[in-house]
Amino acid sequence: SQKIEQNSEALNIQEGKTATLTCNYTNYSPAYLQWYRQDPGRGPVFLLLIRENEKEKRKERLKVTFDTTLKQSLFHITASQPADSATYLCALGDYKLSFGAGTTVTVRA
Amino acid sequence: DADVTQTPRNRITKTGKRIMLECSQTKGHDRMYWYRQDPGLGLRLIYYSFDVKDINKGEISDGYSVSRQAQAKFSLSLESAIPNQTALYFCATSDPRTGGNFQETQYFGPGTRLLVL
Repeated sequence: SQKIEQNSEALNIQEGKTATLTCNYTNYSPAYLQWYRQDPGRGPVFLLLIRENEKEKRKERLKVTFDTTLKQSLFHITASQPADSATYLCALGDYKLSFGAGTTVTVRA
Repeated sequence: DADVTQTPRNRITKTGKRIMLECSQTKGHDRMYWYRQDPGLGLRLIYYSFDVKDINKGEISDGYSVSRQAQAKFSLSLESAIPNQTALYFCATSDPRTGGNFQETQYFGPGTRLLVL
């Protein structure tokens, strides 16, 4: 069966450091992969999409890589700020999305 | 996201009661979805609709039903609520033709927190 795994439930980092989140998947051959941000008590918000033919995608301080051979995506938050504290979800699927359980990032000032 | 609204935002009900959660959108999207979120389990798809006449079950549809009253409205009903349906419920919309490239990016409502006693 299809499975999406995100690395440890919580990641605590110091302000200014880089946070790296992992999304591994099995039994998928996705054309693209997405990352969403979710704040407590709120709905997920789309951040980035990376296609299978793209190795890397950037948006401001965010960087996503996509390795279809390893079946893995890495999500980096560089120069992290306390405002980056949230849960980050990866999602796969063509016409229906499946979401990982998410990684909660806490950035300490 | 103000483009997708959900009512009520919080609801407490008792076992056996029928309740309805409502979702409205002003994004003009054809596709709408209902998810539930439980701690540690992520989002799980309950039902989805690609247009007013197309409704499909997701991975956890048992105990739930839906109605697509119009392009902009998609309601989720719990026919006879039970405690393990206590969860955070999200509605989402999408238009996969965004920007000329096919991509299933979803836009979520603020959620309904449901407690079944």
